[in-house]
Amino acid sequence: EDKVVQSPLSLVVHEGDTVTLNCSYEVTNFRSLLWYKQEKKAPTFLFMLTSSGIEKKSGRLSSILDKKELFSILNITATQTGDSAIYLCAVDSGYGANNLFFGTGTRLTVIP
Amino acid sequence: EPEVTQTPSHQVTQMGQEVILRCVPISNHLYFYWYRQILGQKVEFLVSFYNNEISEKSEIFDDQFSVERPDGSNFTLKIRSTKLEDSAMYFCASSENLDYYNEQFFGPGTRLTVL
Repeated sequence: EDKVVQSPLSLVVHEGDTVTLNCSYEVTNFRSLLWYKQEKKAPTFLFMLTSSGIEKKSGRLSSILDKKELFSILNITATQTGDSAIYLCAVDSGYGANNLFFGTGTRLTVIP
Repeated sequence: EPEVTQTPSHQVTQMGQEVILRCVPISNHLYFYWYRQILGQKVEFLVSFYNNEISEKSEIFDDQFSVERPDGSNFTLKIRSTKLEDSAMYFCASSENLDYYNEQFFGPGTRLTVL
């Protein structure tokens, strides 16, 4: 059975801290791994990772994939209260029309 | 910036009633999806749709569910006879699918409450 596991389940940090969120996966077929940020409602797209070892970066956020060890990390540096959200990891297992298999998410709370 | 839109934002219905959730995907996108998220649980794939037919569906998507693209812009999810356990947030997503890898853009969701 395909599985995506995120850790920690929740995290509370102070503004300015750096956080690392983890996502490990076991799928029968892998095409890509995606990170989303979910605040109040819709997940919003952050990154798509397809190749091992290539870091994707957007401002204070960065992410990298390890296809050998089957995991990805999402780093957020100099956290701000606006970073408080649930961060979702999803794997596109490549069957048919790329349906995504989501992890349960990591709830990040950044306190001033 | 183009975005996926969904209506209504919140729907309350009685058990056994039919509901139709509506989505307008991003206009040049070709693949459409429905996901649901029961409160406190993870986002789950329901169905994907391409070229006017279902591409793939999960085991959640049983005979009480159906999808349709009634015109060039709308994409709908119908639940024929709602059950209490259908209460969830339903997200529509679309993707461009120009190549092998493409990200899915999500709408704001419809919160369905079945009483």
